[in-house]
This record gives sequence, structure tokens and C-alpha cells, in this order.
Amino acid sequence: KQEVTQIPAALSVPEGENLVLNCSFTDSAIYNLQWFRQDPGKGLTSLLLIQSSQREQTSGRLNASLDKSSGRSTLYIAASQPGDSATYLCAVTFGNEKLTFGTGTRLTIIP
Amino acid sequence: DTEVTQTPKHLVMGMTNKKSLKCEQHMGHRAMYWYKQKAKKPPELMFVYSYEKLSINESVPSRFSPECPNSSLLNLHLHALQPEDSALYLCASSQEPTSGLVLYEQFFGPGTRLTVL
Repeated sequence: KQEVTQIPAALSVPEGENLVLNCSFTDSAIYNLQWFRQDPGKGLTSLLLIQSSQREQTSGRLNASLDKSSGRSTLYIAASQPGDSATYLCAVTFGNEKLTFGTGTRLTIIP
Repeated sequence: DTEVTQTPKHLVMGMTNKKSLKCEQHMGHRAMYWYKQKAKKPPELMFVYSYEKLSINESVPSRFSPECPNSSLLNLHLHALQPEDSALYLCASSQEPTSGLVLYEQFFGPGTRLTVL
């Protein structure tokens, strides 16, 4: 079964610190991996998309990496801010061509 | 315009009502999706439309009926829902259909918060 796991489920970090969110998946035959953020009761905002042929993508303070062989992706957030507080979801497109979401990491940045 | 819009934002309905959720995008995308998200859970795929044709139906009960009038619009018709159908319903779109080797970023709308009494 193709699964996506995000650990920990919740993370609290003081403002200004750098942090890493983790995502693991069970099948290395992926098409792409997408990171989203979701504010409470709101829709999903796409942060970064990594194609299977890529190793990383960067956008501003965010950097996402992909290691297919180990079934892992990380989202690195530099110089965290209170506005970064949200739930971060990792989603993988496996061979069956639909997005499979992880359960998310709820991030709280402490001012 | 990189936005997916959804209406209404909130909907409360009884189990005998008929209502519709609407989704619109003007990014020229040819694939559109409906997801259901329960509290503290990830989104679950319901339907996928590719080039205005239903391409994926994740065995969703028939009380949910999708419709794609044109490439920019996606509706979800609701009838005889149950209280357990209360959730956030999310619409998304992407540049190309999901079949094929090159798959594109999905853009999500803000969702419709549905409560079934």
C-alpha cells in the first residue's frame, strides 16, 4: 500500500530558528512530491513542487529536498516567523496518478 | 490569475435538501478535482475531471454528483446527505490531466465548509 507519513504531528519552535519538516513515503516510484500549507479552516496553499527527476526546490525561505531511494523529503524553513504557523502537508503522486497526502505537521512558531 | 474560487464559503443543509457547490478557475487548467477533508485529517480525493470528462471516481456515494459544464467550472451537486458528510470540500485544478508522465502542480481553492444537520 502506498502511504505518506509525516512525523512529528506537531512541532513548536521559537521565532527566528531554522526548522525541518519530514515526509516519508513507501514507494520510490513517484512522479512528484508537493508541499502545502493549510491555515485552520482554510484551503491549501501550494509551496513547492519537486518532480521525480529533481533533488530540491527553493522558494524564498523555503527549501524542499527529495531522496527517492530512501523515500524521504524534507521542508526546510529558514528564520521562522509567527506567520509560518500552520499545518504543513506533504503529498505524493504515485503511479496511480492521484495525490496521496500525509497527515500533516502542525507547526507553531513561538514569538 | 492563479486563483481557484469556491462558493459558498459555508453551507448548512438538512438531510432532505438539494444544494450545489461551485468551483471556478481561470488559469486555463484542463484538470479539476474535488476533495473532502474531515477535521484534523488530510484531504481525500473524490473525483477528477480531465478535459471536462470524469476520469477518476473514488467510489464516492451517489448522493454526491459532480458536473463539469466547461473547462473553467466544476460543480458538486448534493442530495440526501448524511451528518457524517459534514466536512471541508476542496476544489483544485492543475495544468494538465493526471494521466501521463509529466504531472503538474495542483492549486486549491479556499474550500466550502459544509454542515449537514
